[in-house]
Amino acid sequence: EVQLVESGGGLVKPGGSLRLSCAASGFTFRSYTMNWVRQAPGKGLEWVSSISSSSSYIYYADSVKGRFTISRDNAKNSMYLQMNSLRAEDTAVYYCARVSAGATFVWGWFDAWGQGTLVTVSS
Amino acid sequence: AIQLTQSPSSLSASVRDRVTITCRASQGISSALAWYQQKPGKAPKLLIYDASSLESGVPSRFSGSGSGTEFTLTISSLQPEDFATYYCQQFNSYLLTFGGGTKVEIK
Repeated sequence: EVQLVESGGGLVKPGGSLRLSCAASGFTFRSYTMNWVRQAPGKGLEWVSSISSSSSYIYYADSVKGRFTISRDNAKNSMYLQMNSLRAEDTAVYYCARVSAGATFVWGWFDAWGQGTLVTVSS
Repeated sequence: AIQLTQSPSSLSASVRDRVTITCRASQGISSALAWYQQKPGKAPKLLIYDASSLESGVPSRFSGSGSGTEFTLTISSLQPEDFATYYCQQFNSYLLTFGGGTKVEIK
């Protein structure tokens, strides 16, 4: 069974930092592009960042570029999101999501999601 | 970045109704569109990819159509478990974007 489990969320002050983790199991993690997608309370979904299987291709939404860093460790079946200079508008549930193996390009649609981890940025 | 506009933003419908949700892209995206269902407190679930391909395990009452800039998600006969929020997502560009969502409520 495919499983994605996020951790690392919590309460942080504006300007602070946090590191999220996504632990994968039930599939060959090193073969898949992975993503972070967030959802502010009561709002819609917002794509945050993508990382290809070998970390060769990395993309960010404009809203987080220069502040967030995505990475992965295929030996540990894990993906990470280092979030710096956090702002109130970064408050959201952060989901780890897998791009389908059927996608033609590095990016594509998401066929597996974690349960999410809540990040709250507040003084 | 490519913008996706969903309409309506919410709708009320009854069980067994036919429901159609529209997603319009700000520029042509061929068939690079997916649809998701999300229930409160849960992660999104993939329904449709490549605009019209049904994800394995998804009931056949869900269908998708369209290409270019206009797409639709249709639920042929709404069931109680279908009351949820639905999102479209484009993957024509590496800058992925989602529509604003359509909440389907019970009439």
